[in-house]
Amino acid sequence: DGGITQSPKYLFRKEGQNVTLSCEQNLNHDAMYWYRQDPGQGLRLIYYSQIVNDFQKGDIAEGYSVSREKKESFPLTVTSAQKNPTAFYLCASSIGGTGYTGELFFGEGSRLTVL
Amino acid sequence: ILNVEQSPQSLHVQEGDSTNFTCSFPSSNFYALHWYRWETAKSPEALFVMTLNGDEKKKGRISATLNTKEGYSYLYIKGSQPEDSATYLCAFIRWGSQGNLIFGKGTKLSVKP
Repeated sequence: DGGITQSPKYLFRKEGQNVTLSCEQNLNHDAMYWYRQDPGQGLRLIYYSQIVNDFQKGDIAEGYSVSREKKESFPLTVTSAQKNPTAFYLCASSIGGTGYTGELFFGEGSRLTVL
Repeated sequence: ILNVEQSPQSLHVQEGDSTNFTCSFPSSNFYALHWYRWETAKSPEALFVMTLNGDEKKKGRISATLNTKEGYSYLYIKGSQPEDSATYLCAFIRWGSQGNLIFGKGTKLSVKP
């Protein structure tokens, strides 16, 4: 089945550790996104990539890093520099590349808890 | 900072009621507006992508309208059913920033049988 796969679904991390969240899509979409959700807030954009080997910071990129070496993969690393990493993280993709944004297709999310 | 406001925050209706909610967004540099439905324990799913002022879109019992000049969109649900219970999100896209969707906080709809 075509779709977005995020892993792991739940993750616990000790303070000071980096952690990488996986996002894979088999929809042949050019664009991929990472969002963060906190209680009482809308989805906030961390990073997005409209084409392989290129990505842009979103509104809350500090303390996060990404790579886009393959079209189907867009992993997110939550570094120890992220002050408040406990959150629900959603990955998404869309058909459009630069200059076009079609509807987003979302994964099921990863919940990160820092102990 | 661009703000996308949704109202009401939550809504409780009886099965069969019709309902509507609002998404307000900046009226300048409009590119597109998206509506998504997010059911508990599932992924958000797109309902509508709207790009032109005056757009009206319909999918079954759900429809949406768009006014880009005054910066609002309405989502209507006719004859609500329990399976319509979900959080409805809108997302605004500004011209020149097409990769950056700005989401509202959502309207949580509960439909009681």
